[in-house]
Amino acid sequence: AQSVTQLGSHVSVSEGALVLLRCNYSSSVPPYLFWYVQYPNQGLQLLLKYTTGATLVKGINGFEAEFKKSETSFHLTKPSAHMSDAAEYFCAVSGRNDMRFGAGTRLTVKP
Amino acid sequence: DGGITQSPKYLFRKEGQNVTLSCEQNLNHDAMYWYRQDPGQGLRLIYYSQIVNDFQKGDIAEGYSVSREKKESFPLTVTSAQKNPTAFYLCASSIGLAGGVSTDTQYFGPGTRLTVL
Repeated sequence: AQSVTQLGSHVSVSEGALVLLRCNYSSSVPPYLFWYVQYPNQGLQLLLKYTTGATLVKGINGFEAEFKKSETSFHLTKPSAHMSDAAEYFCAVSGRNDMRFGAGTRLTVKP
Repeated sequence: DGGITQSPKYLFRKEGQNVTLSCEQNLNHDAMYWYRQDPGQGLRLIYYSQIVNDFQKGDIAEGYSVSREKKESFPLTVTSAQKNPTAFYLCASSIGLAGGVSTDTQYFGPGTRLTVL
């Protein structure tokens, strides 16, 4: 069965600092991996996804993630945080029959 | 604009009442999903449908029912059997079938917040 663990339910960074949100997955089949962002009282919006091929995936709003099979990780990064990045971020893994979401990481950006 | 709409945005229910949450998509997607979101628990799958007139239970289907009579519509009914229905409900859709339901990107609606009074 597929599962995702997001390390850290809350992450706080200063504006302009590096953003690193951690995600580890477990999958019995080659995984498809996703990062979604959710702003308050809204639905989820896709940031980026990994299917096959290049392990460094670039997404919207300057975010990127690297698939590391040996570490079963798919951490999300952004070199310089902006106030507008404050939101909740979800990592997800898909397999044959369903998609599993992590519990989410709330990102706070301090001025 | 193509997308997914959910209504209402806020819904209040008295104990013992059934309520129905609407989800409509004009993306021509075959697959549709309902998730429940509670603080600190991420998203949990309630039901999903890969094709019209067919749907499957997810992890927490008890106390919920769905129908899929039209491709673009996937309403969710929260029944009185659901003991703790207060939550944020999200509907999603994906292309489905061709790529396999779970491997496609899921596109989400804006959500419905249900509160039991």
